[in-house]
Amino acid sequence: DGGITQSPKYLFRKEGQNVTLSCEQNLNHDAMYWYRQDPGQGLRLIYYSQIVNDFQKGDIAEGYSVSREKKESFPLTVTSAQKNPTAFYLCASEDRTSTEAFFGQGTRLTVV
Amino acid sequence: GQQVMQIPQYQHVQEGEDFTTYCNSSTTLSNIQWYKQRPGGHPVFLIQLVKSGEVKKQKRLTFQFGEAKKNSSLHITATQTTDVGTYFCAGGAGLTGGGNKLTFGTGTQLKVEL
Repeated sequence: DGGITQSPKYLFRKEGQNVTLSCEQNLNHDAMYWYRQDPGQGLRLIYYSQIVNDFQKGDIAEGYSVSREKKESFPLTVTSAQKNPTAFYLCASEDRTSTEAFFGQGTRLTVV
Repeated sequence: GQQVMQIPQYQHVQEGEDFTTYCNSSTTLSNIQWYKQRPGGHPVFLIQLVKSGEVKKQKRLTFQFGEAKKNSSLHITATQTTDVGTYFCAGGAGLTGGGNKLTFGTGTQLKVEL
């Protein structure tokens, strides 16, 4: 089955700790994206990557970091510098024709 | 930066009534996409519009892209309970080298009552 997988589905973190969210796709897509969604709001772009070993900041990159060492994988690290990390995080991928973004199931992060 | 506004924020309808959500961008868009997110779920792609003045239909759903490529609408005819969810528009800016940088609207949450 082709698709995009995020793990874990739910994640709890203590304040001050870094945490890494996983995103894997087997769709052979070049472009991958990380979004954050807060209750009652739209999706905001954190980081995106168009090709392996390259990534760009989105609109709200502060307190986050990413890597793109493999085409299939685009992990997101939420660092202790992110002041309000509790949110629903969505990963997406897209091919070069840019006609449709495929989203993972999301990771709901709660800082306790 | 680019901003995409979407109205209304919420809409409650009786089953069988029509529903429309509107999307406005502060800048001219390369394309616009629409997504549906069910409660507790993730966004699922519905359609992409690219041409000025384009109109596309999917069964009971009609999508329009404005002549100036700055606004769009989604109209659902005769809503059903399966239409429940939040509908997002996303303004696209094509990226050099491939990919599409999307700016999402705030979404319209649709509730359908029997």
